This record gives sequence, C-alpha cells and structure tokens, in this order.
Amino acid sequence: KAGVTQTPRYLIKTRGQQVTLSCSPISGHRSVSWYQQTPGQGLQFLFEYFSETQRNKGNFPGRFSGRQFSNSRSEMNVSTLELGDSALYLCASSLVPGLYGYTFGSGTRLTVV
Amino acid sequence: DQQVKQNSPSLSVQEGRISILNCDYTNSMFDYFLWYKKYPAEGPTFLISISSIKDKNEDGRFTVFLNKSAKHLSLHIVPSQPGDSAVYFCAAADPNAGGTSYGKLTFGQGTILTVHP
Repeated sequence: KAGVTQTPRYLIKTRGQQVTLSCSPISGHRSVSWYQQTPGQGLQFLFEYFSETQRNKGNFPGRFSGRQFSNSRSEMNVSTLELGDSALYLCASSLVPGLYGYTFGSGTRLTVV
Repeated sequence: DQQVKQNSPSLSVQEGRISILNCDYTNSMFDYFLWYKKYPAEGPTFLISISSIKDKNEDGRFTVFLNKSAKHLSLHIVPSQPGDSAVYFCAAADPNAGGTSYGKLTFGQGTILTVHP
C-alpha cells in the first residue's frame, strides 16, 4: 500500500517567487493536513482539507493557500516567498479527520534564497 | 503561545531501560493526544494515542499516561532499544477548534531520544 507521496522532495526558490507543493494521500484517505516544520517553531499547522473543503486553517498569512481535488490530492501554494518560509512542509492524510492518527509523507524541503 | 510543551529537548537512556518522555499542555479543550516518532529526512510516524476519557493506553512496548488534572501526559518505552532513537513529538487535538474536527493537531517542540547499546 503506497504511503503519502509529496513532490518535489527538495526545492530552491528565490525571494518573491511563488511555489506549489503537491501531496497525494494514501488511497482511500479523504482528509489531508499540511504542516510547516522549522527548527525554531517546531511543527505548525497550516490547513486541513476533507472532501475538497477547508475545515481548519492555522495562523499563517494569506500568502499561504491550499486546495484539495476530487481525488483527494492536495496542493499548497506560497506566494511572494520570504526567507522565513524556508522549512520542511509536511503533508499528512487520514481516513477521517485525525481521530486515528495521521500518516505523514516525507515532506518537501523548501529553501528560499 | 506554546499550548503543548515538551520541556526536555533531549533524553539519553541505556538499552533495556525505561524511557520516559513528558509533555504538558495548557489548553483544557484538548481531548485527544497523540505521540509521533520522527527519524531524520522522514515524516513523523504515528505511535500511540489516548482519549481524555482514559488515563492509560498500551501498545506493545509503548504506554501513554494522561493526567488531566495536571494537564500532563507521558510516553513510556519499555524496554528501550537503539532503534527507538529518534525525535518524539506529542500532539493534542481540540475537536471544536474551527468546527467539529480532530484534523488540527498542536505539536510540542519534540524530544530527541538516544538509546545507547
């Protein structure tokens, strides 16, 4: 059974650019959440999607957005990149929102220069 | 405002002994708690969870204890093995945050566990 797949694994972008990260959940999982991990802040919640609807949003500026497609795949977008956006972005999926523990992907390492 | 705190950045334990990882929380609305393990270059792996209606949950070598009055939970690993060396995160969920959902987890900063052979 394939796990949560995140692409790309690594990404280098320049300040001011925008970036789109992709997440394919485990087959059958309809809930997808995104987290940002940085050394200083730990794992911070970004968004949660279930059946194409955003159900929860963390305390991030409007430059961070996301969406979920009908096949449960999800994307997140960061516009006007800042140096502080450099982080590991983790996607996690679950059959239903959170109750039985999310399965995380390996993440996308974004470096903004 | 750090609602979930893991005050010990690191813990070193001898193989075969008990590892005890601690976690404190401040939000009394949290009613579901989880522990994750993370190896470098991998995403966190779900270990064990506990609902606020329980005070203990066991799964093999892993046991989680919850003390709601103290807003404290702990993860016990017995016996510890070198393969347990990783970063351990505790996480908490408030099902009523932003609507009925356990989808938003609040994580602690993590504790690096090193198990020496």
